[in-house]
Amino acid sequence: KQEVTQIPAALSVPEGENLVLNCSFTDSAIYNLQWFRQDPGKGLTSLLLIQSSQREQTSGRLNASLDKSSGRSTLYIAASQPGDSATYLCAVHSGGGADGLTFGKGTHLIIQP
Amino acid sequence: EPEVTQTPSHQVTQMGQEVILRCVPISNHLYFYWYRQILGQKVEFLVSFYNNEISEKSEIFDDQFSVERPDGSNFTLKIRSTKLEDSAMYFCASRGFTAGNTIYFGEGSWLTVV
Repeated sequence: KQEVTQIPAALSVPEGENLVLNCSFTDSAIYNLQWFRQDPGKGLTSLLLIQSSQREQTSGRLNASLDKSSGRSTLYIAASQPGDSATYLCAVHSGGGADGLTFGKGTHLIIQP
Repeated sequence: EPEVTQTPSHQVTQMGQEVILRCVPISNHLYFYWYRQILGQKVEFLVSFYNNEISEKSEIFDDQFSVERPDGSNFTLKIRSTKLEDSAMYFCASRGFTAGNTIYFGEGSWLTVV
């Protein structure tokens, strides 16, 4: 059974810093991995999707990498801003006929102005 | 940008009552999902739906739950007899044809069972 773990659980940094959020998964047989952002009481906004054959994806100040063989992904946020404050969720779409995403518990990020 | 819409945004119901949560997926999407998130916990997969039938369900999705696509646009989740532990945020999601497509989530329906 796929398990997804995110470290750290919470992070508070001053505005302007570059930061890295970590995600690990136990079963490397995946279709893809998605990073989401969740604001309090709100839905999930997709940030980046990395296919299993890809090593990284970039969108603006965000860069996500994937090392499938070691079961790890990182989300890099450059030049953080207070508006980046949210919970960041990692989710894995496993293979073998399983269609649902398996989520981590998230990293709660606070960017101090 | 196309979006998944959900209604109601918040519902309070008494234990034992039936609840129907509604979703309008993105129009050209073919796969539809329900997930739930109990307060402070992980987002959990409930069920996926394709070609008018359930394609996968988790152990959470027991006989108290059912899904339906009653017409060409709506996708519903019914909880037959709600329990206190059904209190959660329920998310609808959809994606296009291939497994590599991004999955898009709605804003959620917050269900409180009292």
